Amino acid sequence: GDSVTQMEGPVTLSEEAFLTINCTYTATGYPSLFWYVQYPGEGLQLLLKATKADDKGSNKGFEATYRKETTSFHLEKGSVQVSDSAVYFCALSDREDSSYKLIFGSGTRLLVRP
Amino acid sequence: GAVVSQHPSRVICKSGTSVKIECRSLDFQATTMFWYRQFPKKSLMLMATSNEGSKATYEQGVEKDKFLINHASLTLSTLTVTSAHPEDSSFYICSARVLPGPAYNEQFFGPGTRLTVL
Repeated sequence: GDSVTQMEGPVTLSEEAFLTINCTYTATGYPSLFWYVQYPGEGLQLLLKATKADDKGSNKGFEATYRKETTSFHLEKGSVQVSDSAVYFCALSDREDSSYKLIFGSGTRLLVRP
Repeated sequence: GAVVSQHPSRVICKSGTSVKIECRSLDFQATTMFWYRQFPKKSLMLMATSNEGSKATYEQGVEKDKFLINHASLTLSTLTVTSAHPEDSSFYICSARVLPGPAYNEQFFGPGTRLTVL
């Protein structure tokens, strides 16, 4: 079945450092890809998404590019802030599945120190 | 817009009792709502998919008689954990998928409900 693999955390960075969180997927169909963020004590929020190969999703300085050849959707940010500390989830949705359910990776905790 | 609420935010109950968790889409109508379970430091596990007016579809390994889901309207779904036991203690999260429109097929998540069974 479809699955998502994320790098294990926690990832600890200093403020203004460069961030990469790796995400790879396996899917039988042609999925849409997502990054969700969960801030402490809050629900998941959609951070960005991409629906086809070579699409780049971006939001709040975060970017991820849908790479079909490497089945990857790595999350990047050029300069992290303390407020970016959260858990980040990579997810896919198989467009062949009419329920559009999401399959999540295990999540990566990011801690940004001042 | 696209706010999903859950009630209660946390609940503590005794073993053997039943607990109902509500999930509401506050400012939109949802064709489909999803229920997830999140273990500490783990990912979200999809438990079931519910469509308004029809029976929920449960994922493999999820006991449908233990986790009763009712999707009574386009803005409300409930999850009832029946005869709860300590191993049911977890963080339960719902999400809602909007009707056709600009955000069609995007899921919006509730803040979660922390269930502790003593």
